[in-house]
Amino acid sequence: DARVTQTPRHKVTEMGQEVTMRCQPILGHNTVFWYRQTMMQGLELLAYFRNRAPLDDSGMPKDRFSAEMPDATLATLKIQPSEPRDSAVYFCASGLVSASTGELFFGEGSRLTVL
Amino acid sequence: GDSVTQMEGPVTLSEEAFLTINCTYTATGYPSLFWYVQYPGEGLQLLLKATKADDKGSNKGFEATYRKETTSFHLEKGSVQVSDSAVYFCALSGGTSYGKLTFGQGTILTVHP
Repeated sequence: DARVTQTPRHKVTEMGQEVTMRCQPILGHNTVFWYRQTMMQGLELLAYFRNRAPLDDSGMPKDRFSAEMPDATLATLKIQPSEPRDSAVYFCASGLVSASTGELFFGEGSRLTVL
Repeated sequence: GDSVTQMEGPVTLSEEAFLTINCTYTATGYPSLFWYVQYPGEGLQLLLKATKADDKGSNKGFEATYRKETTSFHLEKGSVQVSDSAVYFCALSGGTSYGKLTFGQGTILTVHP
């Protein structure tokens, strides 16, 4: 059963530390998304890639966040340095999307707590 | 830009009650519309979708009809179960949201026995 895999599932770290979250998209999917979920803001799109090329990262704080896709089987989201306000659940999703249709498959999320 | 507005929650119902969660959207062109569901501790999963006006999406007893004239995609279920307790997200793709989903803020549904 194909699924999006995210690691770690849970991460507790101290302010100022580097955090890296990883995502393995479903094989054959050409688009990968990073979303952040908080109670206050709901679901926010941070960045997304098509065929490994970054298409839009306007939702990300550029000074501390970076997203990459070094190969078709791995997407990473890095926060350096982390801050308490980064505490959230980070979701990766993949799909075969076109201009008007397309189902996204979500991972189970990485719950980040920054103390 | 595109946007999705859902009715505010939380929504609390008794088992077997009728459910409606309202969703309206703003978009240029002809977007596709989706309902996603998030069970506790899990990621989102597609519940149903509709890709053109007057289409009805349905799954697991849930239904939603794409209404272009009212720019709406309300979610309904005739008889909810405790297992339907989750967060429900309305979303669109297309218009200016090329290749990505724009989500509403989510509606928490709790069903009591």
